[in-house]
Amino acid sequence: QSVLTQPPSASGTPGQRVTISCSASSSNIGSNTINWYQQLPGTAPKLLIYSNTQRPSGVPDRFSGSKSGTSASLAISGLQSEDEADYYCGTWDNSLNGVLFGGGTRLTVL
Amino acid sequence: QVQLVQSGAEVKKPGASVKVSCKASGYTFTSYYIHWVRQAPGQGLEWMGRINPNSGGSNYAQTFQGRVTMTRDTSIDTAYMELSRLTSDDTAMYYCARPYTTSSLHVWGQGTTVTVSS
Repeated sequence: QSVLTQPPSASGTPGQRVTISCSASSSNIGSNTINWYQQLPGTAPKLLIYSNTQRPSGVPDRFSGSKSGTSASLAISGLQSEDEADYYCGTWDNSLNGVLFGGGTRLTVL
Repeated sequence: QVQLVQSGAEVKKPGASVKVSCKASGYTFTSYYIHWVRQAPGQGLEWMGRINPNSGGSNYAQTFQGRVTMTRDTSIDTAYMELSRLTSDDTAMYYCARPYTTSSLHVWGQGTTVTVSS
C-alpha cells in the first residue's frame, strides 16, 4: 500500500521560513505530481500548490512547492500567525486509481 | 463564482445509510469530476472516490467498495454520495470537491457532518 509521509508537526516564529516535507513510499506515486492543501481550523481544505510548484490564483507567493524524486516540500516564507493550520500533501495513486493524502502536518506559529 | 454547496448535517443509527448531496454552480457541471473526501474527528483526509458527471461513471477507494455509491443528476447539477451499513467509524465530515488537475482538488464544498450514534 502506497503512503505519503509527513511530519506530524512543525513550528516557526513570525517572519521565519519553514518547510514541510512529504515523502512517497513507492513509484506508484513517486512519479506523479504533488499537491499541497491548507486547512484552517473548522474549515474545508484549500488548494495551495498543484503540480509540485504551481499556485492557484489568489495564493500568496510566500507559499512555494518543490519536488525531487519521491520527496516534496512546501515552503512558507515570512511566516504569519494566520498560517497556523494543518497542511496536507496529496497525489494521484496509480494503484489506488485515486487521490492519496499524506497524514498531515500541524503548523504552529510560536 | 464556482461553488459547491452540500446538504446539511445528518445523524444516523448504526446500520443505516446516509445520502449527501453536492450542488454545483458557476461552471459546467459535466466538465469536471466530483470527488468525495472524508475527515474523521481529529484525523486526516481520506479519499472516498469520484464520479464523472458527464458519463455517470465512478471509481471508489477499496476501503469503501460495496458500501458507497456515487451518483449525479445533471438536470440540477448535483452529485450525491450514499454510504450504507454505517458504523460509528463513519462519523466524520464529508466533503465534495472539484479538481483543478487530475489529482488536485481546487473547489471544496463546505462539508457535511455525519454522526453515527445509537
